[in-house]
Amino acid sequence: AQKVTQAQTEISVVEKEDVTLDCVYETRDTTYYLFWYKQPPSGELVFLIRRNSFDEQNEISGRYSWNFQKSTSSFNFTITASQVVDSAVYFCALSGDNNAGNMLTFGGGTRLMVKP
Amino acid sequence: DAGVIQSPRHEVTEMGQEVTLRCKPISGHDYLFWYRQTMMRGLELLIYFNNNVPIDDSGMPEDRFSAKMPNASFSTLKIQPSEPRDSAVYFCASSFLAGVAETQYFGPGTRLLVL
Repeated sequence: AQKVTQAQTEISVVEKEDVTLDCVYETRDTTYYLFWYKQPPSGELVFLIRRNSFDEQNEISGRYSWNFQKSTSSFNFTITASQVVDSAVYFCALSGDNNAGNMLTFGGGTRLMVKP
Repeated sequence: DAGVIQSPRHEVTEMGQEVTLRCKPISGHDYLFWYRQTMMRGLELLIYFNNNVPIDDSGMPEDRFSAKMPNASFSTLKIQPSEPRDSAVYFCASSFLAGVAETQYFGPGTRLLVL
Protein backbone atom coordinates (compact mmCIF):
# COMPACT_ATOMS: atom_id res chain seq x y z
CA ALA A 1 0.00 0.00 0.00
CA GLN A 2 1.12 3.52 -0.67
CA LYS A 3 0.98 6.34 1.81
CA VAL A 4 1.91 10.01 1.81
CA THR A 5 2.26 11.95 5.05
CA GLN A 6 2.37 15.70 5.33
CA ALA A 7 2.81 16.18 9.03
CA GLN A 8 2.43 19.95 8.94
CA THR A 9 -1.25 20.70 8.63
CA GLU A 10 -0.80 24.45 8.78
CA ILE A 11 2.16 26.82 8.57
CA SER A 12 2.12 30.56 9.02
CA VAL A 13 5.02 32.77 7.99
CA VAL A 14 5.65 36.40 7.37
CA GLU A 15 6.37 37.54 3.85
CA LYS A 16 9.99 37.11 2.71
CA GLU A 17 10.61 34.24 5.10
CA ASP A 18 11.76 30.91 3.70
CA VAL A 19 9.48 27.98 4.41
CA THR A 20 9.83 24.23 3.91
CA LEU A 21 6.89 21.89 3.49
CA ASP A 22 7.61 18.31 4.46
CA CYS A 23 6.47 15.20 2.63
CA VAL A 24 7.24 11.62 3.63
CA TYR A 25 6.06 8.70 1.58
CA GLU A 26 5.79 4.92 1.77
CA THR A 27 5.76 2.57 -1.18
CA ARG A 28 6.89 -0.89 -2.13
CA ASP A 29 7.34 0.01 -5.77
CA THR A 30 10.90 0.27 -7.02
CA THR A 31 9.85 2.83 -9.58
CA TYR A 32 7.54 5.57 -8.48
CA TYR A 33 6.75 9.21 -9.06
CA LEU A 34 6.32 12.10 -6.69
CA PHE A 35 4.33 15.23 -7.29
CA TRP A 36 3.51 18.53 -5.68
CA TYR A 37 0.28 20.38 -6.36
CA LYS A 38 -0.83 23.80 -5.19
CA GLN A 39 -4.43 24.61 -4.32
CA PRO A 40 -4.90 28.37 -4.00
CA PRO A 41 -7.97 29.88 -2.34
CA SER A 42 -9.76 29.81 -5.69
CA GLY A 43 -9.84 26.04 -5.38
CA GLU A 44 -8.19 24.63 -8.45
CA LEU A 45 -5.32 22.15 -8.23
CA VAL A 46 -2.21 23.37 -9.98
CA PHE A 47 0.59 20.99 -10.90
CA LEU A 48 4.00 22.15 -9.69
CA ILE A 49 6.48 19.34 -10.19
CA ARG A 50 6.90 15.67 -10.99
CA ARG A 51 9.93 13.64 -10.01
CA ASN A 52 10.69 9.98 -10.65
CA SER A 53 12.39 7.73 -8.14
CA PHE A 54 15.58 7.40 -10.15
CA ASP A 55 16.23 11.09 -10.25
CA GLU A 56 17.43 12.33 -6.88
CA GLN A 57 18.73 15.62 -8.16
CA ASN A 58 17.26 18.56 -6.40
CA GLU A 59 15.29 20.94 -8.54
CA ILE A 60 14.99 24.68 -8.44
CA SER A 61 12.41 26.75 -10.23
CA GLY A 62 12.54 30.39 -9.33
CA ARG A 63 11.73 30.70 -5.64
CA TYR A 64 10.68 27.06 -5.47
CA SER A 65 13.02 24.17 -4.77
CA TRP A 66 12.53 20.51 -4.08
CA ASN A 67 14.73 18.15 -2.10
CA PHE A 68 14.24 14.46 -2.88
CA GLN A 69 15.94 12.09 -0.43
CA LYS A 70 15.31 8.46 -1.18
CA SER A 71 17.17 7.36 1.94
CA THR A 72 14.61 9.06 4.14
CA SER A 73 11.65 8.67 1.75
CA SER A 74 11.13 12.40 1.71
CA PHE A 75 10.33 14.93 -0.97
CA ASN A 76 10.35 18.32 0.68
CA PHE A 77 9.37 21.60 -0.88
CA THR A 78 10.97 24.93 -0.03
CA ILE A 79 9.71 28.36 -0.93
CA THR A 80 12.35 31.04 -0.68
CA ALA A 81 11.38 34.61 0.13
CA SER A 82 7.72 33.72 0.45
CA GLN A 83 5.04 36.04 -0.89
CA VAL A 84 1.41 36.51 -0.01
CA VAL A 85 0.45 34.90 -3.32
CA ASP A 86 2.08 31.69 -2.11
CA SER A 87 -0.74 31.29 0.40
CA ALA A 88 -2.42 28.04 -0.53
CA VAL A 89 -2.80 24.41 0.40
CA TYR A 90 0.04 22.32 -0.95
CA PHE A 91 -0.37 18.62 -1.64
CA CYS A 92 2.31 16.03 -2.07
CA ALA A 93 1.31 12.95 -4.06
CA LEU A 94 2.74 9.57 -5.03
CA SER A 95 2.18 7.33 -8.01
CA GLY A 96 3.61 3.85 -8.40
CA ASP A 97 4.72 2.28 -11.64
CA ASN A 98 2.49 -0.71 -11.17
CA ASN A 99 -0.41 -2.04 -13.15
CA ALA A 100 -2.75 0.47 -11.58
CA GLY A 101 -2.03 3.04 -14.19
CA ASN A 102 -0.95 6.26 -12.65
CA MET A 103 -3.28 6.48 -9.70
CA LEU A 104 -2.25 9.18 -7.30
CA THR A 105 -2.13 8.86 -3.54
CA PHE A 106 -2.33 12.30 -1.94
CA GLY A 107 -1.09 13.52 1.38
CA GLY A 108 -3.43 15.44 3.62
CA GLY A 109 -2.06 18.79 2.49
CA THR A 110 -0.28 21.64 4.23
CA ARG A 111 -2.03 24.98 4.47
CA LEU A 112 0.50 27.77 4.07
CA MET A 113 -0.43 31.26 5.14
CA VAL A 114 1.94 34.04 4.20
CA LYS A 115 1.22 37.26 6.03
CA PRO A 116 2.30 40.63 4.74
CA ASP B 1 -4.46 24.56 -25.17
CA ALA B 2 -7.56 24.37 -23.06
CA GLY B 3 -7.18 22.58 -19.78
CA VAL B 4 -9.63 20.17 -18.24
CA ILE B 5 -13.09 21.68 -18.31
CA GLN B 6 -15.72 20.94 -15.70
CA SER B 7 -19.30 22.04 -15.40
CA PRO B 8 -21.09 23.28 -13.51
CA ARG B 9 -18.62 25.08 -11.26
CA HIS B 10 -21.16 25.25 -8.47
CA GLU B 11 -24.24 23.18 -7.82
CA VAL B 12 -26.76 23.51 -5.04
CA THR B 13 -29.47 20.92 -4.87
CA GLU B 14 -31.87 19.35 -2.45
CA MET B 15 -31.55 15.93 -0.96
CA GLY B 16 -33.02 13.27 -3.20
CA GLN B 17 -32.36 15.10 -6.44
CA GLU B 18 -30.21 13.76 -9.24
CA VAL B 19 -26.93 15.54 -9.83
CA THR B 20 -24.80 15.26 -12.96
CA LEU B 21 -21.28 16.58 -13.12
CA ARG B 22 -19.51 16.93 -16.44
CA CYS B 23 -15.92 16.82 -17.55
CA LYS B 24 -14.04 17.39 -20.78
CA PRO B 25 -10.46 16.13 -20.57
CA ILE B 26 -7.48 17.61 -22.32
CA SER B 27 -7.47 16.58 -25.94
CA GLY B 28 -5.25 13.58 -26.54
CA HIS B 29 -5.25 12.41 -22.95
CA ASP B 30 -6.35 8.81 -22.59
CA TYR B 31 -6.76 8.65 -18.81
CA LEU B 32 -9.54 10.37 -16.95
CA PHE B 33 -9.96 10.49 -13.18
CA TRP B 34 -12.73 11.61 -10.86
CA TYR B 35 -11.79 12.75 -7.35
CA ARG B 36 -13.76 14.01 -4.40
CA GLN B 37 -12.34 16.45 -1.86
CA THR B 38 -13.78 16.90 1.62
CA MET B 39 -12.36 18.35 4.79
CA MET B 40 -12.69 15.04 6.58
CA ARG B 41 -11.27 12.69 3.96
CA GLY B 42 -9.10 14.93 1.80
CA LEU B 43 -8.70 14.00 -1.85
CA GLU B 44 -10.11 10.61 -2.76
CA LEU B 45 -10.01 8.88 -6.11
CA LEU B 46 -13.50 7.73 -7.06
CA ILE B 47 -12.98 6.13 -10.45
CA TYR B 48 -10.70 6.29 -13.44
CA PHE B 49 -10.98 5.48 -17.12
CA ASN B 50 -8.47 4.44 -19.74
CA ASN B 51 -9.52 4.93 -23.35
CA ASN B 52 -13.12 5.47 -22.20
CA VAL B 53 -13.20 2.18 -20.28
CA PRO B 54 -13.65 2.22 -16.49
CA ILE B 55 -10.58 0.58 -14.96
CA ASP B 56 -11.04 0.96 -11.22
CA ASP B 57 -14.21 2.13 -9.53
CA SER B 58 -13.34 0.85 -6.07
CA GLY B 59 -13.42 4.39 -4.74
CA MET B 60 -17.03 4.98 -5.69
CA PRO B 61 -18.78 5.28 -2.34
CA GLU B 62 -21.98 3.45 -3.13
CA ASP B 63 -24.46 2.56 -5.81
CA ARG B 64 -25.88 6.05 -5.83
CA PHE B 65 -22.74 7.10 -7.70
CA SER B 66 -22.16 6.23 -11.33
CA ALA B 67 -19.74 7.46 -13.97
CA LYS B 68 -19.63 7.15 -17.71
CA MET B 69 -17.31 8.10 -20.49
CA PRO B 70 -19.20 7.76 -23.77
CA ASN B 71 -16.32 9.17 -25.82
CA ALA B 72 -12.78 10.45 -25.46
CA SER B 73 -13.86 14.02 -24.86
CA PHE B 74 -16.64 13.70 -22.31
CA SER B 75 -17.35 12.08 -18.98
CA THR B 76 -20.13 12.38 -16.43
CA LEU B 77 -20.39 11.61 -12.75
CA LYS B 78 -23.93 11.13 -11.58
CA ILE B 79 -25.31 10.97 -8.07
CA GLN B 80 -28.84 9.67 -7.73
CA PRO B 81 -30.34 10.28 -5.24
CA SER B 82 -28.08 12.88 -3.69
CA GLU B 83 -27.58 13.18 0.07
CA PRO B 84 -26.14 15.97 2.23
CA ARG B 85 -23.02 13.91 2.90
CA ASP B 86 -22.23 14.06 -0.81
CA SER B 87 -21.45 17.75 -0.43
CA ALA B 88 -17.86 18.17 -1.56
CA VAL B 89 -15.69 19.47 -4.35
CA TYR B 90 -15.49 17.04 -7.23
CA PHE B 91 -12.45 17.20 -9.45
CA CYS B 92 -11.87 15.69 -12.83
CA ALA B 93 -8.29 15.12 -14.02
CA SER B 94 -6.74 13.74 -17.16
CA SER B 95 -3.35 12.46 -18.20
CA PHE B 96 -1.55 10.87 -21.07
CA LEU B 97 0.19 7.64 -20.22
CA ALA B 98 3.09 6.83 -22.47
CA GLY B 99 4.65 3.89 -20.71
CA VAL B 100 5.38 5.73 -17.51
CA ALA B 101 3.25 7.50 -14.97
CA GLU B 102 2.38 10.88 -16.33
CA THR B 103 1.20 14.04 -14.69
CA GLN B 104 -2.48 14.44 -13.99
CA TYR B 105 -3.92 17.82 -14.83
CA PHE B 106 -6.94 18.86 -12.86
CA GLY B 107 -10.03 20.78 -13.78
CA PRO B 108 -11.29 23.67 -11.65
CA GLY B 109 -13.65 21.43 -9.74
CA THR B 110 -17.39 21.41 -9.12
CA ARG B 111 -18.45 22.55 -5.68
CA LEU B 112 -21.56 20.56 -4.76
CA LEU B 113 -23.84 21.42 -1.89
CA VAL B 114 -26.70 19.10 -1.11
CA LEU B 115 -29.25 20.60 1.27
